[in-house]
Amino acid sequence: EVQLVQSGAEVKKPGESLRISCKGSGYSFSYYWIAWVRQMPGKGLEWMGIIYPGDSESRYSPSFQGQVTISVDKSISTAYLQWSSLKASDTAMYYCARQDGDSFYYFDYWGQGVPVTVSS
Amino acid sequence: QTVVTQEPSFSVSPGGTVTLTCGLTSGSVSTSYYPSWYQQTPGQAPRTLIYSTNTRSSGVPDRFSGSILGNKAALTITGAQADDESDYYCVLYMGSGIWVFGGGTKVTVL
Repeated sequence: EVQLVQSGAEVKKPGESLRISCKGSGYSFSYYWIAWVRQMPGKGLEWMGIIYPGDSESRYSPSFQGQVTISVDKSISTAYLQWSSLKASDTAMYYCARQDGDSFYYFDYWGQGVPVTVSS
Repeated sequence: QTVVTQEPSFSVSPGGTVTLTCGLTSGSVSTSYYPSWYQQTPGQAPRTLIYSTNTRSSGVPDRFSGSILGNKAALTITGAQADDESDYYCVLYMGSGIWVFGGGTKVTVL
C-alpha cells in the first residue's frame, strides 16, 4: 500500500529554522516525484515545488523560489521542506503529494499534512 | 504570472447537477495542461478525483466526470449527494515541471 507519512505539528517563533518531512513507503521511492503544497488558514491549495528523489532534481513555483528549500534523502525514502528563517506568514498546513509515474501529471497520493504555526 | 480561475462557490440541490470550471486568465485550457481535480473536506487532505482531463481515479463514483468545455476544464457532478459538499480544486500542468492550482470552488448541497 502506497503511503506518504508526514512529520508532526510544529510551533515555532519568527526567525527560527524548520525542516518537515514526508516518508514514502509501499513503492519505489526513487522513481516518483514528490511535490509540496501549502494551504494557509481558510485558503486554497498552492503548489510550492517538486523533487525527484532519484537525482534530487527540483523545481519551484516562482512564488516560493528562494523562500523554501526542498530536499530528499532517498536512502530513507524521505523528502523534506525547510525554512532558514520562518515568518508569521508561513503559518499553514503543508502537504506532500506523489506525482504519478505514468506521465499524466497529477498527484495520486497525498500525505496527511503538517500544521506549522509561527508565532512570537 | 499565470492565474488559474475557478468559481468561488456553487450551490446544488440533492440529486442535481453542477459543473465547475477551471480556466486561465490568459489563454485556453486544453488537454495539454493535463487538468486534474481534487476534493477536500474540512480537516482532511485532498482526495484525487479526476486526472488527465477525464479519467476517474480509483474508487471515485461515476457521478464525477471531467471534460473540456469551451476554453476551460470542467468537473461535473451528476446526481449530487450530501457528502459531495466539499471544496474542489483543479490543478494545471504548465510544463517544465511546474503546476498551478486554481483558487478552489466551495460546493454546497442543499
